[in-house]
Amino acid sequence: EAGVAQSPRYKIIEKRQSVAFWCNPISGHATLYWYQQILGQGPKLLIQFQNNGVVDDSQLPKDRFSAERLKGVDSTLKIQPAKLEDSAVYLCASSLGWGNGELFFGEGSRLTVL
Amino acid sequence: KQEVTQIPAALSVPEGENLVLNCSFTDSAIYNLQWFRQDPGKGLTSLLLIQSSQREQTSGRLNASLDKSSGRSTLYIAASQPGDSATYLCAPRAGGATNKLIFGTGTLLAVQP
Repeated sequence: EAGVAQSPRYKIIEKRQSVAFWCNPISGHATLYWYQQILGQGPKLLIQFQNNGVVDDSQLPKDRFSAERLKGVDSTLKIQPAKLEDSAVYLCASSLGWGNGELFFGEGSRLTVL
Repeated sequence: KQEVTQIPAALSVPEGENLVLNCSFTDSAIYNLQWFRQDPGKGLTSLLLIQSSQREQTSGRLNASLDKSSGRSTLYIAASQPGDSATYLCAPRAGGATNKLIFGTGTLLAVQP
């Protein structure tokens, strides 16, 4: 069974530029999550989708971050404009359902903002 | 607000030793708790998932226990190997409307050959 796919794996941009990350969850998984992991810290939830609806985006900096999950399958996370403090690994995860399901993570997209 | 603490922050052991990683959380109203492994530059690999109604789960050399009422979980690794070297993260899943996983900062494990 294919795992969670993410791209690109690495991205380097200048501050104030924009960047987009893509995630394709495990087939049939209704719930999709975007996490931000800053070096030396545990992952922090940015946004959680159930099918194509947002369940929780309370920690998403909405002035610069946006995410969508059209058709309830793959998802895109965008940052515009980027700041230095956005340098982190962006992890996508999926689970079969909302509630008590096991989460499976992708390899992550490492962003460096110069 | 759920806070998760993992002790120790780093651990170095000789190969073959049994070891215990500790996780504590402040809000005991959780659905479940998941243990993950993270290798450098990689994503998270799920190791064990314990439902709130369970006391422990086992997978190979790994055993995870959960004491929900006291807000504690432990990950026991038997007969450690150099390939076990990684960061181990615990993540309780909140109950109620939020339902999200809150991560600790992890325990960095090094197993010396």
